[in-house]
Amino acid sequence: GESVGLHLPTLSVQEGDNSIINCAYSNSASDYFIWYKQESGKGPQFIIDIRSNMDKRQGQRVTVLLNKTVKHLSLQIAATQPGDSAVYFCAENIKETSGSRLTFGEGTQLTVNP
Amino acid sequence: DAGVTQSPTHLIKTRGQQVTLRCSPKSGHDTVSWYQQALGQGPQFIFQYYEEEERQRGNFPDRFSGHQFPNYSSELNVNALLLGDSALYLCASSPLAGGHEQYFGPGTRLTVT
Repeated sequence: GESVGLHLPTLSVQEGDNSIINCAYSNSASDYFIWYKQESGKGPQFIIDIRSNMDKRQGQRVTVLLNKTVKHLSLQIAATQPGDSAVYFCAENIKETSGSRLTFGEGTQLTVNP
Repeated sequence: DAGVTQSPTHLIKTRGQQVTLRCSPKSGHDTVSWYQQALGQGPQFIFQYYEEEERQRGNFPDRFSGHQFPNYSSELNVNALLLGDSALYLCASSPLAGGHEQYFGPGTRLTVT
């Protein structure tokens, strides 16, 4: 049947290639930016975060770049594997005196072809 | 070390009914947040609980209410269900009320018919 609402941006790569997923954010008051991976039928899984006063952070096979001038965030995945296939969301953390909340972007569907 | 758990996994309700969803936070976490995720979209913040009180609330009507218990577990209640309430409801826990490290549970898939 028809899948209403499934209009996620998609990225298709070959196994072993590098992947770059982009995200634009809107709130300049965010103190952290976070990338989540969500596989079908599961909740979002934390990948990597970056504090707002940094412009680059590296993890295992992943790198996050933050450009505050143009309010742009990117996630680079090195040597992409089939297990990386999922929907990727960027999120910005809005911290207030009473607590915090995450605001998520629209998500990108990554498909890794063997 | 158990992660965030949610129950039930799936449920089906009829318009106008009420539903209660449950969440147990990750061990050592005292703050619980709830999110609604419609099909093909990112999660949307509903509210956050800390010290048994609602600390922050997103743009959701009063039909959505919650509770946090002394053991830090939490419930999300939705009254007068609408078809548009059909979604994946996610619970996330964090070790600090103001912290950004939120760990998500698997979610409860609610279908309203």
